[in-house]
Amino acid sequence: DGGITQSPKYLFRKEGQNVTLSCEQNLNHDAMYWYRQDPGQGLRLIYYSQIVNDFQKGDIAEGYSVSREKKESFPLTVTSAQKNPTAFYLCASNRPLLGGAGRMNTEAFFGQGTRLTVV
Amino acid sequence: KQEVTQIPAALSVPEGENLVLNCSFTDSAIYNLQWFRQDPGKGLTSLLLIQSSQREQTSGRLNASLDKSSGRSTLYIAASQPGDSATYLCAVTPRRNSNYQLIWGAGTKLIIKP
Repeated sequence: DGGITQSPKYLFRKEGQNVTLSCEQNLNHDAMYWYRQDPGQGLRLIYYSQIVNDFQKGDIAEGYSVSREKKESFPLTVTSAQKNPTAFYLCASNRPLLGGAGRMNTEAFFGQGTRLTVV
Repeated sequence: KQEVTQIPAALSVPEGENLVLNCSFTDSAIYNLQWFRQDPGKGLTSLLLIQSSQREQTSGRLNASLDKSSGRSTLYIAASQPGDSATYLCAVTPRRNSNYQLIWGAGTKLIIKP
């Protein structure tokens, strides 16, 4: 079955440590995204990549880094510079859609998330 | 700047009732609107996607409508069941962003009482 796999499900980070969250997709989608979810708030975009070997900062990129060496993989590193990393992290990919009047848009698909906790 | 609001933040109803969840957005220039379901500690499951040229979409007991001019969408759940208990999120894909990112509401936490 096609889908997005995030690992690990739970991750614990000590102060000053970098940790990497894995995201793998077999949907053959070009565009991939990382969102952060905090209680009572909407999801916020951290980084996105619309093609291999290219990625862009989202709304809250400070303290995070990514790479996109393969189409299937978009790992997120939470660095020690991120002062409040405890959150639920969601990886997504976008499927192109043909909308009204022939306009392109996209449909998002999500992984099961990684819960990161600072200890 | 596009903003998405979901009201109410939480809703508790008896089993069997029909209910409506609301989503509003400030900029009508969108590609589409999606409704998602999130169970506690889990990822997001896509429920319905409404393109900007469409008025509604249906899937089983779920019906989502879109009124782009007024910046509103509703998710109608018929004959609610305890298994419908979850947080429901709506998100829009704004035309003004070239990266097709989603802009999210904070969600409505739904509890269906047996």
